[in-house]
Amino acid sequence: NAGVMQNPRHLVRRRGQEARLRCSPMKGHSHVYWYRQLPEEGLKFMVYLQKENIIDESGMPKERFSAEFPKEGPSILRIQQVVRGDSAAYFCASSSSLENEQFFGPGTRLTVL
Amino acid sequence: GEDVEQSLFLSVREGDSSVINCTYTDSSSTYLYWYKQEPGAGLQLLTYIFSNMDMKQDQRLTVLLNKKDKHLSLRIADTQTGDSAIYFCAESTRAAGNKLTFGGGTRVLVKP
Repeated sequence: NAGVMQNPRHLVRRRGQEARLRCSPMKGHSHVYWYRQLPEEGLKFMVYLQKENIIDESGMPKERFSAEFPKEGPSILRIQQVVRGDSAAYFCASSSSLENEQFFGPGTRLTVL
Repeated sequence: GEDVEQSLFLSVREGDSSVINCTYTDSSSTYLYWYKQEPGAGLQLLTYIFSNMDMKQDQRLTVLLNKKDKHLSLRIADTQTGDSAIYFCAESTRAAGNKLTFGGGTRVLVKP
């Protein structure tokens, strides 16, 4: 059973471009969480999704950021018109239920030039 | 809102015990966790404890929870150079969808 997959592992964008980060949860997992880690800081919760539904987006900036977890395919975190402050590592985690452990992917490191 | 605090840095000699401390503010926390992050990597769950427990032991790892003081610690016995990493304390509440609230991380350096 493959772990949580994230791609790309590294992404470089210029200011104003769009960034799309993908997360494929572990097989059988329907709960997906996205976290952001700024340099030298801990991880901060962004959004929690179950298949086709956003359950909690309280940690996600209101503008430029969106997330989806379609019925088929990976979860996508989309950042429009990126700014330098978006440079961070973005981690996805998945679990099979609320009671169970969250398994983390290796992260996508976004650099905005 | 919830807050989780950790000391920034710990230096320990190989073979000694390491103790990493964490405090949290959310009294409704359901689970408390310790994660390990090596450079450029994701997070590895080391251990977790339910909020109604006060101790859990797993091989070289011992977790102590003082719920009254909202204090969590991780003891690593016989620390090895491979234990050098950043350790994150985190808490979650089932009512909040089990999203994790992390501390800022403690960087542990093990010296030979």
